[in-house]
Amino acid sequence: EVQLVESGGGLVQPGGSLRLSCAASGFTFSTYWMHWVRQAPGKGLVWVSGISGDGTNILYADSVKGRFALSRDNSRNTLHLQMNSLRGEDTAVYYCARGHEFWGQGALVTVSS
Amino acid sequence: QPVLTQSPSASASLGASVKVTCTLSNWHSSYTIAWHQQQPQKGPRYLLTLNSEDSHIRGDGIPDRFSGSRSGAEHYLTITSLQSEDEGDYYCQTWGAGVVVFGGGTKVTVL
Repeated sequence: EVQLVESGGGLVQPGGSLRLSCAASGFTFSTYWMHWVRQAPGKGLVWVSGISGDGTNILYADSVKGRFALSRDNSRNTLHLQMNSLRGEDTAVYYCARGHEFWGQGALVTVSS
Repeated sequence: QPVLTQSPSASASLGASVKVTCTLSNWHSSYTIAWHQQQPQKGPRYLLTLNSEDSHIRGDGIPDRFSGSRSGAEHYLTITSLQSEDEGDYYCQTWGAGVVVFGGGTKVTVL
């Protein structure tokens, strides 16, 4: 059974940092593109970042470029999103996704003083 | 980069059919579209993709009441035999040119 389990969400002050993780199981992790997609309260889905199966190709939305860093550890089937210089507008539920076919349950990130 | 446009809402009666439209920007009409459902207070769930041969690739457990179709730049998600649990937000998605893009979502109401 495919599973994606996010962790690391929480409350952080503006300008602070947070690291999200996504633990994958039930499939050959290293063969899939993985993504983070976020959803601000009451708003729609917005793609944040994606990484190829071997980790050599990493893409970012303009809104997070230079502040967020995506990485993966294929030996541990884990995806990481390092979020720095966080702003109020980064407040959202962050979903880990396998390609376009499978979603995790989400992790809430709240940026507030 | 591609742009996806969805109408904000759609509604139909219990047991009837509803069609959700997603319009792809002109220069990207060959891009693949995936559809996702988000029921109230839940995370998104993958529904289906229509591939280049117009074959459906449905997610696990997705019934054939959900189907996709297209005409040029217009992509459609049709839900037949509408049930109360079909109420929620529906998003189209595409990818290419170094980005992934979602439509703004369509809220489906079951009357």
